[in-house]
Amino acid sequence: DAGITQSPRHKVTETGTPVTLRCHQTENHRYMYWYRQDPGHGLRLIHYSYGVKDTDKGEVSDGYSVSRSKTEDFLLTLESATSSQTSVYFCAIRVGDGYTFGSGTRLTVV
Amino acid sequence: GQQVMQIPQYQHVQEGEDFTTYCNSSTTLSNIQWYKQRPGGHPVFLIQLVKSGEVKKQKRLTFQFGEAKKNSSLHITATQTTDVGTYFCAGNKAAGNKLTFGGGTRVLVKP
Repeated sequence: DAGITQSPRHKVTETGTPVTLRCHQTENHRYMYWYRQDPGHGLRLIHYSYGVKDTDKGEVSDGYSVSRSKTEDFLLTLESATSSQTSVYFCAIRVGDGYTFGSGTRLTVV
Repeated sequence: GQQVMQIPQYQHVQEGEDFTTYCNSSTTLSNIQWYKQRPGGHPVFLIQLVKSGEVKKQKRLTFQFGEAKKNSSLHITATQTTDVGTYFCAGNKAAGNKLTFGGGTRVLVKP
């Protein structure tokens, strides 16, 4: 979909370790977003970016940081992973009226 | 902060029947969007509504935006097994660039 890929697709990590998830787009879209999806909570916004080096917090940003040094890449970092961060993480880009989502990263923190 | 609520959380539908899912925002929205997520998949954009009272149709799906721009509904007629999935509404506050999603309505179809 619209040239957006997420990596890795699956990851298992230990509590306390740093983890970085990558979102890559090929179509030069300005806005990029990171959401997490948990049962009963729908999709919740973690951070978003409106340009290179321009980022802002979403509703559940604690414990996460982001970076966007190039238009095509938006990185999400868990500085010290906790079990509460076990989730499915979706990256999205704003394309026209709507968002196009990546295929997601399933992260398990043990 | 802004909250978007969807009801019902689950919807069991007999194939061929109609159903409606509802979306309510705690704040006035500039627009509302609807997404569908198949089991194991990612959300896929269906439609955006912008105007007060707007109604849009996509085949068997009818989307409506409330007069006060705080609620919306999705009505599906003659449900098919291909309609299985979770339907999310998502709202943008005025001049906003970030969507707030509802919790979704998970639709299960009985053949």
